[in-house]
Amino acid sequence: DIQMTQSPSSLSASVGDRVTITCRASQSISSYLNWYQQKPGKAPKLLIYAASSLQSGVPSRFSGSGSGTDFTLTISSLQPEDFATYYCQQSYRGFGGGTKVEIK
Amino acid sequence: QVQLQESGPGLVKPSETLSLTCAVSGGSIRSYYWSWIRQPPGKGLEWIGYIYYSGRTNYNPSLKSRVSTSVDTSKNELSLKLSSVTAADTAVYYCARVDYGDYFSLVYWGQGTLVTVSS
Repeated sequence: DIQMTQSPSSLSASVGDRVTITCRASQSISSYLNWYQQKPGKAPKLLIYAASSLQSGVPSRFSGSGSGTDFTLTISSLQPEDFATYYCQQSYRGFGGGTKVEIK
Repeated sequence: QVQLQESGPGLVKPSETLSLTCAVSGGSIRSYYWSWIRQPPGKGLEWIGYIYYSGRTNYNPSLKSRVSTSVDTSKNELSLKLSSVTAADTAVYYCARVDYGDYFSLVYWGQGTLVTVSS
């Protein structure tokens, strides 16, 4: 089975910061990669699909890139509502361990 | 707007079978894949499996021997059964609809239901 590894597992950042989260697959998954945001007590929300396509209604400060084994989720200017946990997911399969974005 | 609602017992005894239902409203269950995902308290997401409306399934290998899912198109409902549960199966269980073809993206989610395994 393909393993998905996210880094870092947590980070502290300030409003306005540029934030980058990395997801690595144990073998190539082309662009079959989705990103989700989850806030406490809520279901996850799809942000990015197909590695770089922005889900409808998601602010343009979120972007995704990568293909093969290495992927990134970038928040260009962190907003107060972005403090949450972010997960990558290999299409058809499992999730990364998550990255918790906390207020500095 | 598509809405999903999980329901079922909130408490299950060890060694018994966990049974959940996911009611789908605002859209047909037909022509879609559907997914079950769970999240132990304070931990990350774990994919349980997928089911197509026709009944075709694909399960997480780590749960495959204990999981079964089904679709009732007449009721627009999904169901999940997990047998021989232990405390490790305590989690919030979510159902979700798969979209975007081969990218299997989970766009619509239920709010989740907490199932505790305890005697």
